[in-house]
Amino acid sequence: DAEITQSPRHKITETGRQVTLACHQTWNHNNMFWYRQDLGHGLRLIHYSYGVQDTNKGEVSDGYSVSRSNTEDLPLTLESAASSQTSVYFCASSERTGMADTQYFGPGTRLTVL
Amino acid sequence: QKEVEQNSGPLSVPEGAIASLNCTYSDRGSQSFFWYRQYSGKSPELIMSIYSNGDKEDGRFTAQLNKASQYVSLLIRDSQPSDSATYLCAVNLAGNQFYFGTGTSLTVIP
Repeated sequence: DAEITQSPRHKITETGRQVTLACHQTWNHNNMFWYRQDLGHGLRLIHYSYGVQDTNKGEVSDGYSVSRSNTEDLPLTLESAASSQTSVYFCASSERTGMADTQYFGPGTRLTVL
Repeated sequence: QKEVEQNSGPLSVPEGAIASLNCTYSDRGSQSFFWYRQYSGKSPELIMSIYSNGDKEDGRFTAQLNKASQYVSLLIRDSQPSDSATYLCAVNLAGNQFYFGTGTSLTVIP
């Protein structure tokens, strides 16, 4: 079955380190998204991509970067991890069904920055 | 002003009752609307989508959309303890971006 996976599922790192979170989908969706979820803020968009070589900044992109070299993967990199980036990160991909796009989420990565 | 507003709850209903979850949005150009369910520690799961004014029913779930009032709701009939979760409202604005509310926590009491 097609799916979307994230790795690692849990990560503890130290302030200042570079961290990369992986996202892989087998649906062949063009659109992929990264969100972070924090209490009181809900899901906030970090970066998104509409296809290979396309990347765009979302609402909370500072300190994060993404690259899209193929359809299946959109890795999220924290250039220099900060304690404020402790969060749960969700990757999503979307397809157009009827009138609109529908998003499907990966299982999430819980990141702790000490 | 947030794009999507939800009452954070918590909302508690007895088993078998109707749970009513509400959401308002700010952009009149919004075209499609979604309800996701999120169990604690899990990822959001799509349960309903609605694009046109009126009601859309799927099993025990009914989504209601009123674009004039910029209001979308989710009714859960015959609520079960397994419905206890956080419900996220999402709105699809220009392009393919989605905006999410902060979610409403629902507890169904046996």
